[in-house]
Amino acid sequence: QSALTQPASVSGSPGQSITMSCTGTSSDIGSYALVSWYQIHSGKAPKLLIFEVTKRPSGVSNRFSGSRSGNTASLTISGLQTEDEADYYCSSYAPGISYVFGTGTEVTVL
Amino acid sequence: QVQLQESGPGLVKPSETLSLTCAVSGYSISSGYYWAWIRLPPGKELEWIATIYHSGNTYYNPSLKSRVTISVDTSKNEFSLKLTSVTATDTAIYYCGRSEGSYKSFDFWGQGTMVTVSS
Repeated sequence: QSALTQPASVSGSPGQSITMSCTGTSSDIGSYALVSWYQIHSGKAPKLLIFEVTKRPSGVSNRFSGSRSGNTASLTISGLQTEDEADYYCSSYAPGISYVFGTGTEVTVL
Repeated sequence: QVQLQESGPGLVKPSETLSLTCAVSGYSISSGYYWAWIRLPPGKELEWIATIYHSGNTYYNPSLKSRVTISVDTSKNEFSLKLTSVTATDTAIYYCGRSEGSYKSFDFWGQGTMVTVSS
């Protein structure tokens, strides 16, 4: 099972919207609505942003939204803020391994 | 608020066993949920290692299964990881986390502990 593919980096100016992709296969993202997105600030506990493709946990800003088309999931951050500078990882259920994670995307706020 | 805290040695010699513990506060492990270990090697992606249910049911990443043991101690409200025969490729930040199911998202995580495998 290979890792899901994410762009290495995405950048944007404060207030802008950015979208990052997470590409898998028909065996994971394409077949199961079990895509999650996590935010990791260095030295801090990862934070769940999105689960089951589009759902936001209580307390997560509505600036974060998730979607899926075919074998690719996406995370959009609207109204980009400096505090959004972090690494972002997607994850999907994959039969036989339970979880497969993405390669990670570094977000830079210009 | 649920909190998880990893603990264990930061340096392990090659071929030895890596042992980590995750202390849980704000929630009783025996009440439910699934408890997991995930790691982030430098420059690589997150990798799920293993999950355990409070009853003791375990789930392992097939690529690590032969070297991994996950266990739970409900009396101490903590769970543990043992990884045997470590090599430099096991160097990573090790996180513990909680999920609703054996393949559901992780809603709470510890801040992670860096483990380096080196002689």
